[in-house]
Amino acid sequence: DAKTTQPPSMDCAEGRAANLPCNHSTISGNEYVYWYRQIHSQGPQYIIHGLKNNETNEMASLIITEDRKSSTLILPHATLRDTAVYYCIVRVGGTPLVFGKGTRLSVIA
Amino acid sequence: ETGVTQTPRHLVMGMTNKKSLKCEQHLGHNAMYWYKQSAKKPLELMFVYNFKEQTENNSVPSRFSPECPNSSHLFLHLHTLQPEDSALYLCASSTLGQSGNTIYFGEGSWLTVV
Repeated sequence: DAKTTQPPSMDCAEGRAANLPCNHSTISGNEYVYWYRQIHSQGPQYIIHGLKNNETNEMASLIITEDRKSSTLILPHATLRDTAVYYCIVRVGGTPLVFGKGTRLSVIA
Repeated sequence: ETGVTQTPRHLVMGMTNKKSLKCEQHLGHNAMYWYKQSAKKPLELMFVYNFKEQTENNSVPSRFSPECPNSSHLFLHLHTLQPEDSALYLCASSTLGQSGNTIYFGEGSWLTVV
């Protein structure tokens, strides 16, 4: 079973920041927070992951609370191509990914 | 392009046919996975291979038979499937034994059983 809770859907205006929340209140000390997205009919795409510190790459930023019980994925300037299902997953390195239902993000022009 | 290639991208097969899905990774990884995604359902893990050895079978029916001849190739042999087996089948790969190792997915094979 997925160990995270995400809202089923969100809307975001094109050009604005998309902030996708994730609750993982039972996360263990050795579990990482991973974010993937799946655009319709394609394989999941890796976005970013982190353990304790905030992380940023060319796609997004990941903000993890100090107690590690929740996190937020930030897409700084959402475009229509960012419309997808976003999955927040916690896992120990070296173990398979267990997917939940994710958040369906719709970017609106 | 993720470095994980799946073929064919689309497959239609009858219930009495035998077919295979192929996955190849060019990332130097040593773990490979099969996932299944049925309509309106979350991705489900099917099989895990570490260093060519199967380490996880998630209660998958025997009509699905995986094969991992080496660390770069993974097959899913299909025989006497049912229409409810129609789904997107996804292959993925990763390294082992590293903290925070990332799993990369292929584009998937769409299977329709008629």
